[in-house]
Amino acid sequence: ETGVTQTPRHLVMGMTNKKSLKCEQHLGHNAMYWYKQSAKKPLELMFVYSLEERVENNSVPSRFSPECPNSSHLFLHLHTLQPEDSALYLCASSPRPRENSEAFFGQGTRLTVV
Amino acid sequence: QKEVEQDPGPLSVPEGAIVSLNCTYSNSAFQYFMWYRQYSRKGPELLMYTYSSGNKEDGRFTAQVDKSSKYISLFIRDSQPSDSATYLCAMSPQGGSEKLVFGKGTKLTVNP
Repeated sequence: ETGVTQTPRHLVMGMTNKKSLKCEQHLGHNAMYWYKQSAKKPLELMFVYSLEERVENNSVPSRFSPECPNSSHLFLHLHTLQPEDSALYLCASSPRPRENSEAFFGQGTRLTVV
Repeated sequence: QKEVEQDPGPLSVPEGAIVSLNCTYSNSAFQYFMWYRQYSRKGPELLMYTYSSGNKEDGRFTAQVDKSSKYISLFIRDSQPSDSATYLCAMSPQGGSEKLVFGKGTKLTVNP
């Protein structure tokens, strides 16, 4: 089991629902990330938080809203999603942003939008 | 041209075979090269990390980087069924995790 825990593991939601994904890291890292992994596509970086401050937002639609209340927790709030948003959402953390450091991934939340 | 190209496979080999996984890239600024392994229903885990050109060996795994050809490889010797997973190459210009660019991943099955 890794030091990055994501909940829930699976989520099915309708296009009008509002839900949140949760990530918690127990590694004492200062940077946290949200990635999207779709079938037959590379991992796409969505958001980066460094010391609880958002430092990167890769043109992600506003229906995805991240929140980082402290350096150990990261949320991704979802609302009015589209079926093409169905994917595996991965959280990762690393010791320091913008430096040579390994990213540790959680197991992901498998999201299905119906 | 995509920044990182990786053949998605699938690749199926018998146990004990030597496996070669490859990625090509177009951005000459990439200096840090990584291979991640992702088991089914799990997140990626870092397998190998190399800086600039050259080889790095860790047990049955060898990572090679050829910057002049913009080509990286991961070799697995004496492959085992437990090596069955998707292998993702990733690279970045500065080493920072927020600049990582991933390949699509190659799905490998090692048959007993």
